[in-house]
Parts: sequence; structure tokens; C-alpha cells
Amino acid sequence: DAGVIQSPRHEVTEMGQEVTLRCKPISGHDYLFWYRQTMMRGLELLIYFNNNVPIDDSGMPEDRFSAKMPNASFSTLKIQPSEPRDSAVYFCASSLWTGVSNTGELFFGEGSRLTVL
Amino acid sequence: DAKTTQPNSMESNEEEPVHLPCNHSTISGTDYIHWYRQLPSQGPEYVIHGLTSNVNNRMASLAIAEDRKSSTLILHRATLRDAAVYYCIQNSGNTGKLIFGQGTTLQVKP
Repeated sequence: DAGVIQSPRHEVTEMGQEVTLRCKPISGHDYLFWYRQTMMRGLELLIYFNNNVPIDDSGMPEDRFSAKMPNASFSTLKIQPSEPRDSAVYFCASSLWTGVSNTGELFFGEGSRLTVL
Repeated sequence: DAKTTQPNSMESNEEEPVHLPCNHSTISGTDYIHWYRQLPSQGPEYVIHGLTSNVNNRMASLAIAEDRKSSTLILHRATLRDAAVYYCIQNSGNTGKLIFGQGTTLQVKP
């Protein structure tokens, strides 16, 4: 398997523009997570899905952020409109829940580095 | 969310063992301890996890205290490639959701 695939790897955009980040989880995994990483705040969990259904979006910073998972092999994280403070590395991760007490290993993508000017 | 406490940074010499500590005083009986590490410019990667007894795999060993309020990740022979941020995570839910803290930045000197 190719692992979790994210695109784009790098994105530079101007304030006010719409940004769409994409993620392809590992085939067969039933959980998908979006994290954001900055120097100031570290790794923050934004939202996660189980079987394509959003379970917890309490980490989404504000209404400008939205995430979808239309099918088991694709998810998007959208920021509209983008602001300079959204500059960060955004990671997607997937896991397979084994049903045996919290043992689902997370597999992370390489991240999408977003710079908003 | 449950929180763990780790030192901000540690140093080690190459080819020596490294013991990375973690405190998780609020742990409950069904919480697992997970360790991940993040190499420079990469996403985090799984290292090891455990519940009560010590665990070993090809990457590391995990020693969990008898009262489970602390644990230690052991790298038996540090290499330069082990320089990374190491995260200790206490999973307090019945999902795969993991909340990362600030972690310990490990420097390995040649």
C-alpha cells in the first residue's frame, strides 16, 4: 500500500482565497483524522471521521474550516476564506479500529504545508 | 482530554541507550499508553503502545510502572536517525482519537 496520500504538498496562497487540501487514506481503514501543526500550538486534532461520518469536529477552529469525506477513499479539508494565521502543516491520518481496546495505530501522511500571505 | 507530562528535551550519545519518561497520573484502568515520534519534516509515526505490562518491538521497549502513572520509552541503542520529537499519549476514549502534547525533542550526538 502506498500509505496515506496528501495533496498538495505545498500551497502558497493569498489571504481571502479558498484552499482545499486532499487526503487519500489507506485502503480498508475506517477512521480518518485531520491534524494541524504549528510551532506555537503543536499538533492539534481538527476533526475525525468514522466510516465516512464526522464524529468530532470540536477542534475545527471556526466556520471558515470545513471537512468532508464523500467516500472511504477520499477526504477534503477546506478553508474559505483563508487567513495568514491558517499557515501551518496539515496532516491527514487514517487507522483501522481493531475493536480491541484503543489499539488502532495511526498512519500519517507527509502533510500539506500551507502558507497564506 | 487526558494529558501526559514529558520533558521538553533530552540529549543522548549515539549508540547509547535512551530512556524517555512520561507521567500520566490521571490514567484509568482501560487507557492505553501510545508512543509516536516525528522525524524532521515528516508526519508522526507509531513507535509502540501498551496497557499494563512491558512491551517490546523492533523499534523500542515500553516499561510501564506498576501503578501505571508513569512509563518509559527505551531506545536500546540510539542512532542519529532517532533524533525526533517523541510523543507519549494517553488514550482515554474508545476510539482511535489521539491527542498529542508537546512531546520530548531528542537530540542524538555523534
